[in-house]
This record gives sequence, structure tokens and C-alpha cells, in this order.
Amino acid sequence: SQQGEEDPQALSIQEGENATMNCSYKTSINNLQWYRQNSGRGLVHLILIRSNEREKHSGRLRVTLDTSKKSSSLLITASRAADTASYFCARGEGNQFYFGTGTSLTVIP
Amino acid sequence: EAQVTQNPRYLITVTGKKLTVTCSQNMNHEYMSWYRQDPGLGLRQIYYSMNVEVTDKGDVPEGYKVSRKEKRNFPLILESPSPNQTSLYFCASSPQALGVGTTQYFGPGTRLLVL
Repeated sequence: SQQGEEDPQALSIQEGENATMNCSYKTSINNLQWYRQNSGRGLVHLILIRSNEREKHSGRLRVTLDTSKKSSSLLITASRAADTASYFCARGEGNQFYFGTGTSLTVIP
Repeated sequence: EAQVTQNPRYLITVTGKKLTVTCSQNMNHEYMSWYRQDPGLGLRQIYYSMNVEVTDKGDVPEGYKVSRKEKRNFPLILESPSPNQTSLYFCASSPQALGVGTTQYFGPGTRLLVL
């Protein structure tokens, strides 16, 4: 399978804590993207990091990319109950798009 | 408002009864795609379209058809649905082909149950 793998599969934290989720993949990439999905709804794009970038920030989100290890991580700082969702990494390869299996994040108020 | 719309949002059908799920985008995007989402498997690409009259298979195309006669529409057709096609389906679009790393915009999803 060309899908990425994410870990953990599920994560539960207290409000205010940081949440880290990881994504691994097997092939070379041009870029890697992170998406968020609220229960059963459409995915929403969060951030894109290109293969020549190592770190990128957007508000409370921080994404890192290690192309030598073929892995990326998404850090959400100072989490809020509203961050409860599933998070997916995704990469474009040629004209196709491959998603990871997702991390389900629960933030407890 | 820029958006991707899908219809219907929920559908219950029986094995073998042809159905079509419509998808439309109002952003003049070139690239459109269909995905299915199943528990534990993430999203898997079914078909994609680079532009009008240009479609190609994704990872799981068996049992599905698509067409792209107009830029804004990309319907998904199940000629003879089977229970293993019970899933949550998403349509998505992006301004251009993904090799350059563009954001995809997703529709709200269609939940399909095939009995």
C-alpha cells in the first residue's frame, strides 16, 4: 500500500496540553500536507510543507518534516476542546494523492 | 461562497441498483477526485480527473465509473453496487494537478449503505 501510517491511532489529552502526532511514508515526496476531519465531515486543509522545508508554523500548529527518515509530525500547542478531531497526513505523488490512516485526537475540557 | 457540493448526503440502496453521486465545485478548479473512507483505512482515492474529459484510476477504482464532461461536475457512478461499497464518499477539488502541491477542498461527504 502507498498509504502513510500515522501514530498514535488515538490520543486523549487534557485541554491546554500539547498534542503530537506522527506520520511515516515509504516513497519520495514533493510535499506533505496535514488535514483535519471533524466527525464524519469533509476534510479541511491545515498546512503544507515542501520537501526542502524542515519546519513550518501556522498559529498553534507546528509541522516538521524529516525526509531522511520519511516522517513528519504535527504538533498542536495549548490544545482546546474544539481541536477534537481526526488528523490525516497526505502526500501527492504524480497526479495521485495518498492519505495516512489518521490519528483521532480527543481533548478533554 | 467557494465550495464543493455533493448529493445525496445519505443514501440507502440495494445490491445491483445503479446509482450516481453528484459532485460540483464553483472554484473553476482543474483537478477533481473521489475518495472512499473506511474505518482504519483512511481515505483511498477511487478516480481523479486532471481536466475536462481526462480521468484516471486511483487506488480502488473497481466497481466505479466517473465522467468529466464539464469542468465543475464530476459524478461518481456505481453501475451495480455491492455491500462492500458501503462507505463514506468524498469528492474533492484543487486548482491544478497535485504534483505542484496544491490544497484540496473537500465536499461534505456522502454516506452510502448498500444492502
